[in-house]
Amino acid sequence: EDKVVQSPLSLVVHEGDTVTLNCSYEVTNFRSLLWYKQEKKAPTFLFMLTSSGIEKKSGRLSSILDKKELFSILNITATQTGDSAIYLCAVGPNSGYALNFGKGTSLLVTP
Amino acid sequence: SAVISQKPSRDICQRGTSLTIQCQVDSQVTMMFWYRQQPGQSLTLIATANQGSEATYESGFVIDKFPISRPNLTFSTLTVSNMSPEDSSIYLCSVDRGGYGYTFGSGTRLTVV
Repeated sequence: EDKVVQSPLSLVVHEGDTVTLNCSYEVTNFRSLLWYKQEKKAPTFLFMLTSSGIEKKSGRLSSILDKKELFSILNITATQTGDSAIYLCAVGPNSGYALNFGKGTSLLVTP
Repeated sequence: SAVISQKPSRDICQRGTSLTIQCQVDSQVTMMFWYRQQPGQSLTLIATANQGSEATYESGFVIDKFPISRPNLTFSTLTVSNMSPEDSSIYLCSVDRGGYGYTFGSGTRLTVV
């Protein structure tokens, strides 16, 4: 059975801290790993990773994939209260198939 | 990337009634996916809707409870039938945009009373 496991499940940090969110996976067919931020209802897309060792970066957020060890990390530096959200990791199989989501990490950034 | 218009945004419904959720995509897509997110939980796939054929349902979800229509390549509906409080969730539609990841509709927050 396919599994996507995120850790930690919840995290409370102070503004300015750096956080690392983890995602490990065991899936039969792997095409990509995706990170999403969910604040209200709809997840918003952050990164899609398909190749090992290539860091994707967007502002204070970055992510990298290790296909040998089957995990990915999402880093957020200099956190702000607006980063408070649920961060979802999902694995995408072959084209035409739905994403398989982890349980998410709930991040709270306090002033 | 694709824009998906989903409605209604939210609704409060009486138990025993049905609600139909609509998703309109701004370009043609082969597959559309319907998810449910129960309070405090992650996203669970309900079914995959392929235009021109019956939807494929995941274990635990049945067509009588969650009928899906896919009349063309840009539109789909999900109906939540004979609702109970356990159906209170966020419902989301999604499409695969290839190299741009999967895009989600804005979501429908359903409360059943």
